[in-house]
This record gives sequence, structure tokens and C-alpha cells, in this order.
Amino acid sequence: QQQVKQSPQSLIVQKGGISIINCAYENTAFDYFPWYQQFPGKGPALLIAIRPDVSEKKEGRFTISFNKSAKQFSLHIMDSQPGDSATYFCAASRWNQGGKLIFGQGTELSVKP
Amino acid sequence: DAGVIQSPRHEVTEMGQEVTLRCKPISGHNSLFWYRQTMMRGLELLIYFNNNVPIDDSGMPEDRFSAKMPNASFSTLKIQPSELRDSAVYFCASSLPRGNQPQHFGDGTRLSIL
Repeated sequence: QQQVKQSPQSLIVQKGGISIINCAYENTAFDYFPWYQQFPGKGPALLIAIRPDVSEKKEGRFTISFNKSAKQFSLHIMDSQPGDSATYFCAASRWNQGGKLIFGQGTELSVKP
Repeated sequence: DAGVIQSPRHEVTEMGQEVTLRCKPISGHNSLFWYRQTMMRGLELLIYFNNNVPIDDSGMPEDRFSAKMPNASFSTLKIQPSELRDSAVYFCASSLPRGNQPQHFGDGTRLSIL
């Protein structure tokens, strides 16, 4: 059972464009939704995270939009740059499970110059 | 600041051999996580520890896998005997305690079983 579904699997965006990656979750007990960025040969690194009491969080060019009723959240990368080319993972966890993360399948983003 | 340190970075071994992966978490982080990454299954949590105690090992695929954390600064993941399907990248991550803290990942060990 896949608890966090992520789409698309891959994404090609022109430099300066907006990259949008979507995730849907099933377990309404999840209370923490981070996004991780992974470059080839490296481990995932936390990019931005949101809790369900807010609908949007913005950090620089990165924004999470959260829709609790639809059980969906998305990552928006504004003014996408070639350096943003990486694999992005959404995840979800419950506070009372010690931070145990359930990851989506990942989206490979390629930003063309 | 030193991040999570994993060793070796690459391991190639023959099927049936014992494999030991090592991890040094960030100092002061009381939670440690082992993940496996494959193309087919993505990132899967294998086991995690709080204060050196295994809390949830439900992701450990079978008895061939075992993990230990003898002290706050060292953990091992052992596979014995190894099989072809164990080929993957294994990540260790650490975080502060008390749930929903950012997890800091090492750069992984790429394991190839021949």
C-alpha cells in the first residue's frame, strides 16, 4: 500500500519557468510534510516542510501548497534554474512515530537552459 | 560541521558474503534511520533507533538483515548472507529526537552484489 503518491515521475521545464510537483496522501494522521532534494551521488537533503495547520509556506523560490481536505500538497519552484535539476521527494510522517518518514516515489526534474 | 558519515561509499561483493555498512550520525542527534533506495521501490525505511534503542524494524526485509547501534556515535547495518536483490543504495540519516525533526542524510553506500 503506497501511502504517499507523487507525480509526475519526470518533469522538463525551461529556465525561468515554474516547476510543479504534486503529492497525495492517504493517512489523515500525518502531521508533517517535508520535501527533499537529491542530487546524483548524494543523499536527500531537506528543502522545505509544512504542517497541516497552514495552507502555504514559502522559502525563497520554493513554495509548498497544502490542501488538507483533498489530502494533497505540492511543491512549486519559481524561476526554475538549471541548478535545480535534481530528484525531488515528498514525504509524510506522524509526530508520535518518531519522525518515521514515508516517501513518495520521486520526481526527476530537468531544467533546460 | 560534520554531517552524517557513511562507509564505505561503494561495496562490491559476491552473493552469499557478509556485508557490513557503517554510519556515524551527527553529534547530538538521538535518532538514527537506515533507508534503502532502489529504482523499483524508491526510498524505504528499514529501521530506526532512538537513543540507541531500535524502535521500529518493520521495514527490515528479512532475517538476513540486522542493525545495531552500540553507542550514540555509531551504527551498523549487516546483511548475511547477501543476495543479488540486495543491490541498492543504503542511506543513513540522523535527527534530533522527539519526532518530525529534519532528517540529515549521509551520501549513502552503493552496494553491488555479484
